[in-house]
Amino acid sequence: DIVMTQSPDSLALSLGERATINCKSSQSVLFGSHNRNHINWYQQKAGQPPKLLIYWASTRGSGVPDRFSGSGSGTDFTLTISSLQAEDVAVYYCQQYSSSPYTFGQGTRLEIK
Amino acid sequence: EVQLVESGGGLVQPGGSLRLSCAASGFTFTNYWMHWVRQAPGKGLVWVSHIDEPGSSTTYADSVKGRFTISRDNAKNTVYLQMNSLRADDTAVYFCVRGDGGLDYWGQGSLVTVSS
Repeated sequence: DIVMTQSPDSLALSLGERATINCKSSQSVLFGSHNRNHINWYQQKAGQPPKLLIYWASTRGSGVPDRFSGSGSGTDFTLTISSLQAEDVAVYYCQQYSSSPYTFGQGTRLEIK
Repeated sequence: EVQLVESGGGLVQPGGSLRLSCAASGFTFTNYWMHWVRQAPGKGLVWVSHIDEPGSSTTYADSVKGRFTISRDNAKNTVYLQMNSLRADDTAVYFCVRGDGGLDYWGQGSLVTVSS
């Protein structure tokens, strides 16, 4: 199974600051004939189901603000929030979707300082 | 509007069984994989199982393999999760999720509590 490891476990930043969350996979997450990295990022606010932010490592989901971006290749991936807003307080998860079981990282809790 | 509505959760004793249902609407159900993802209280997300569009291919997390069975009824736009031999560590909110490039639509979840 592919193990997904996120860092840090938690993060406290001021409004307007840049947030960077890292995700490392234990093996390649290249997906079949697409030859793209199949990494997804999700945002989960308190009491809500998760929301898909990023898929294929760097493609924003429907309606996701452009302050959210994804990058990376191979086994190292990053979610960046360019300018932190109050509504971005949440837990963020990465997930590999290249091979079953489609494992998640342990989550990164983002708070406002 | 895409909607996924789970039902069937509740309190069950260790060793017991429960079947979750997820009614889908607002999209062409037969075009999508469907998944179950669970979240224990205060913990992270754990992928549980997936089923392909016709229902001919399924996969499971090791923690539920041999105990849980995913299925779907495309005529009823519904996906199921049959859970047998339930254990205390199966206690969680179970989310029904549509799979596309990512897991793009999630239900509100159904709470399953395994306790004597």
